[in-house]
Amino acid sequence: AQRVTQPEKLLSVFKGAPVELKCNYSYSGSPELFWYVQYSRQRLQLLLRHISRESIKGFTADLNKGETSFHLKKPFAQEEDSAMYYCALTTSGTYKYIFGTGTRLKVLA
Amino acid sequence: GAGVSQTPSNKVTEKGKYVELRCDPISGHTALYWYRQSLGQGPEFLIYFQGTGAADDSGLPNDRFFAVRPEGSVSTLKIQRTERGDSAVYLCASSLKTIGGELFFGEGSRLTVL
Repeated sequence: AQRVTQPEKLLSVFKGAPVELKCNYSYSGSPELFWYVQYSRQRLQLLLRHISRESIKGFTADLNKGETSFHLKKPFAQEEDSAMYYCALTTSGTYKYIFGTGTRLKVLA
Repeated sequence: GAGVSQTPSNKVTEKGKYVELRCDPISGHTALYWYRQSLGQGPEFLIYFQGTGAADDSGLPNDRFFAVRPEGSVSTLKIQRTERGDSAVYLCASSLKTIGGELFFGEGSRLTVL
């Protein structure tokens, strides 16, 4: 069965420091990976998806099929990046999204 | 607003009661999902609608849970004989695409069963 693992429940970094939120998945085929974010008092929303290969709000994520990972990275964290981040997976030809348990990012001043 | 709307935002009920949670998706979105999020967990898939039909209800935990979408727009999640373990935030999401599309989430309905 497909599975998404986010090993860190909480990650605290100082403003300006690099940040990496880890995501590992288990799926033998070709997955589609996403990062969703929930800011305080806001609804869950899409941050980025691997097929777009885009950078959103300075965040990037590269799909590493060898390590089955999709870590989210940003070189210089900002206070407004503080939020809950969820990694999600869907598989080719299906509609079901599997979410990880989430990582709370706290960026300290 | 044009976003996904969920009502009620909060529902407190007693064990054994019946509850209905409503989701109004973004206009034109044919795909609709219900997820459940318990404290400290990620969203857990419950059911997926494509149009009016439930294409996949494999995530519904038991037969006390049921969902409908009679006209292919608004959906209602129904929970019979509620139990304390049903307490969670119930999230609705809609998508324009059938497969691999961005999910647009509502703010959720927080259900508390006393």
